[in-house]
Amino acid sequence: DSGVTQTPKHLITATGQRVTLRCSPRSGDLSVYWYQQSLDQGLQFLIQYYNGEERAKGNILERFSAQQFPDLHSELNLSSLELGDSALYFCASSVWTGNTGELFFGEGSRLTVL
Amino acid sequence: SQQGEEDPQALSIQEGENATMNCSYKTSINNLQWYRQNSGRGLVHLILIRSNEREKHSGRLRVTLDTSKKSSSLLITASRAADTASYFCATRHQETSGSRLTFGEGTQLTVNP
Repeated sequence: DSGVTQTPKHLITATGQRVTLRCSPRSGDLSVYWYQQSLDQGLQFLIQYYNGEERAKGNILERFSAQQFPDLHSELNLSSLELGDSALYFCASSVWTGNTGELFFGEGSRLTVL
Repeated sequence: SQQGEEDPQALSIQEGENATMNCSYKTSINNLQWYRQNSGRGLVHLILIRSNEREKHSGRLRVTLDTSKKSSSLLITASRAADTASYFCATRHQETSGSRLTFGEGTQLTVNP
């Protein structure tokens, strides 16, 4: 158990809908990262937050947004969903933004868009 | 696009054999990490090697890093069926902001009992 909690574990929705994925980092970790894993794109970095502030942005679509709250949990919002958004979405956490060490991953939220 | 590229994409061996996976990357790194992912599960950190290190060991794992060739290898000795998983290299690059890791495509390792 990494200590990172993601909900929901599975989500099935329709095209055009909006969903919110939630992540609680490990106790004491200030940085949260979101990654998308799909069969054809591999593991893609989406966005990173540190203590409530956005620190790095990757291949995140404009239809997607995220935030980190004062209690350090994070949410990833996916809107106007398309079939291609079906993927496993991972949250990971680390102690601080300048960290050169490991990331601790949650078990992921599997999103299926029909 | 992914910085890291692993090869082979898939590797099938017998229990007790050694498994070697390779990773190449394109730009200068601060460190390189290897992660393991069981099917459909979260990634688990295995080992980290810094850019000024050449070799590192952890249990049955041995990682090498050649910064001149921009490549790394992960060796798993005396493999077990429980080692069956996907293995990813991840790099933290000097020029990127924040501390994101960039993952390769992974090597699917199957260890047959």
